[in-house]
Amino acid sequence: NAGVTQTPKFQVLKTGQSMTLQCAQDMNHNSMYWYRQDPGMGLRLIYYSASEGTTDKGEVPNGYNVSRLNKREFSLRLESAAPSQTSVYFCASSEEELGSLTDTQYFGPGTRLTVL
Amino acid sequence: ILNVEQSPQSLHVQEGDSTNFTCSFPSSNFYALHWYRWETAKSPEALFVMTLNGDEKKKGRISATLNTKEGYSYLYIKGSQPEDSATYLCASRGGSQGNLIFGKGTKLSVKP
Repeated sequence: NAGVTQTPKFQVLKTGQSMTLQCAQDMNHNSMYWYRQDPGMGLRLIYYSASEGTTDKGEVPNGYNVSRLNKREFSLRLESAAPSQTSVYFCASSEEELGSLTDTQYFGPGTRLTVL
Repeated sequence: ILNVEQSPQSLHVQEGDSTNFTCSFPSSNFYALHWYRWETAKSPEALFVMTLNGDEKKKGRISATLNTKEGYSYLYIKGSQPEDSATYLCASRGGSQGNLIFGKGTKLSVKP
């Protein structure tokens, strides 16, 4: 099992450009998440998907959109990138539906994004 | 939004030292407390999930305790080794949404 995979690993964008970060998991998990990690901050939830076909906003959703393409894949799109979106982005998945008390999340390797 | 605090921010110890650090979280509407280990250039890996007051979990030289009434959890590492060097994250699941809220982490460096 590859677990959670993310592409690309690194990306540099100019302000105003758009791009999509891809995430896939092969663990048949129901829930998937997108986080961002900034220096001096904890992991902050951008969007999540509790099950195929559903998506919900997390703590910092502005400037992002997501698509739960199928059970395996959950993509994050930046429509018009801004320097404030320079960050490391992590995708995660968990087996049970959101709200389970013991819902361990499994993380991908991250995408380091720089917006100039 | 929950506030999850971790202390200290960073810690430098010698190989063989035992160490511990703290995670504090709001005790109201508590559901679960997670600990993750995050090595540089890798992704966070789950260590423990605890739900009940008084829970203790152990994995090798690492153990954790939970006090839900006062809103804190301790992570202990016995006889630290250089390979224990990592950032240790805690995350609390609580509130009506039930999302995980992460602390900023404690960065542990173990010198040989």
